[in-house]
Amino acid sequence: KAGVTQTPRYLIKTRGQQVTLSCSPISGHRSVSWYQQTPGQGLQFLFEYFSETQRNKGNFPGRFSGRQFSNSRSEMNVSTLELGDSALYLCASSLVVGESDEQYFGPGTRLTVT
Amino acid sequence: KQEVTQIPAALSVPEGENLVLNCSFTDSAIYNLQWFRQDPGKGLTSLLLIQSSQREQTSGRLNASLDKSSGRSTLYIAASQPGDSATYLCAVKGSARQLTFGSGTQLTVLP
Repeated sequence: KAGVTQTPRYLIKTRGQQVTLSCSPISGHRSVSWYQQTPGQGLQFLFEYFSETQRNKGNFPGRFSGRQFSNSRSEMNVSTLELGDSALYLCASSLVVGESDEQYFGPGTRLTVT
Repeated sequence: KQEVTQIPAALSVPEGENLVLNCSFTDSAIYNLQWFRQDPGKGLTSLLLIQSSQREQTSGRLNASLDKSSGRSTLYIAASQPGDSATYLCAVKGSARQLTFGSGTQLTVLP
């Protein structure tokens, strides 16, 4: 069974631009979560989607948004990029929404903002 | 607000040693705790998942324990190998239904 895939793997953008990252969960997984990883802040939760609905949101500005499609694939968008948005963006999927769900992570998208 | 702490931040051991990585969390009302491994520049690989009702989980040379009442978990690695060199992350899922991560322990196993 294929794992979580994320595209693109690497991205270089300029301040002020916007970017869209894509995540395809493991087949059959319906929950997708996004995390940002930086050297200074570590791993921080962005948001979680289940059945095309955002179920949970972390403490990030409104420039960060996401959505989930009917096939469970998810995208996240960052508008008006800032230098501080440079990070590794990780997507995780899980089979069920519940306390027992194990999170499986993708390889990440490395975003560099110049 | 849940806080997760991992000690030590870095660890260097000779090959073959048994070692223990520590994780502590401030809010004991958790659903589960997961240990991950991360290689440089890569994503996270799930190692072990412990449900809140469990005390430990084992996979090969890895054993993780959970003491919810004291807010602690340990990851025991037996007979360490150079291939075990990576950053090990502990994460808890609590009432906020999101994973809260520690800052990780960077492990180096010397041949």
